[in-house]
Amino acid sequence: DVVMTQSPLSLPVTLGQPASISCRSSQSLVHSDGNTYLNWFQQRPGQSPRRLIYKVSNRDSGVPDRFSGSGSGTDFTLRISRVEAEDVAVYYCMQGAHWPLTFGGGTRVEIK
Amino acid sequence: QVQLVESGGGVVQPGRSLRLSCTASGFIFSSYAIHWVRQAPGKGLEWLAVLSYDGSVEYYADSVKGRFTISRDKSKNTLWLQMNSLRVDDTAVYYCASQGGTWHWGQGTLVTVSS
Repeated sequence: DVVMTQSPLSLPVTLGQPASISCRSSQSLVHSDGNTYLNWFQQRPGQSPRRLIYKVSNRDSGVPDRFSGSGSGTDFTLRISRVEAEDVAVYYCMQGAHWPLTFGGGTRVEIK
Repeated sequence: QVQLVESGGGVVQPGRSLRLSCTASGFIFSSYAIHWVRQAPGKGLEWLAVLSYDGSVEYYADSVKGRFTISRDKSKNTLWLQMNSLRVDDTAVYYCASQGGTWHWGQGTLVTVSS
């Protein structure tokens, strides 16, 4: 199985400041169809998860443009350009290139 | 509006079985793959299983392979997760999620495996 490793585990951020979360996979996430299937999900306290980003850098509808994704191969990053109070959540990367699908362990973003 | 509602959770003894339901509305059920994902108390997300949009393909995580089975009834817009030989470490909130233009998630149903 593909192991997804996120860092850091916890990320205290000052409101209005940027935040960056790393996600590394144990295998390349480039599918045989040429796409790279790396998703980012947000789970706010007490809520179900919500997908933010798909195929590395594509924002889902309604996702603020302060969220961006980048990376390639086995190394990916989720960036929040200016953290707002509503961004307090746990963020998970998930690979969709290989069965079984696998999630990273999560990164908790909190306000400093 | 896409909506998914899980039900069937509860308290069950180790070794017993439970069947969870995922009922969909607001979209054509047979158009999307449906996933099951769980979250143990205070832990992260764990992907469990998927049924393809046409029902022809199923995949399972190693942790549940051979114990859990997905099935569906298109006429009822309902998908089930049959869970057999339950273990204490299966205790979690179980979510179903549809994979269409985005992922839509239900609110989850809590399964507690305890003697």
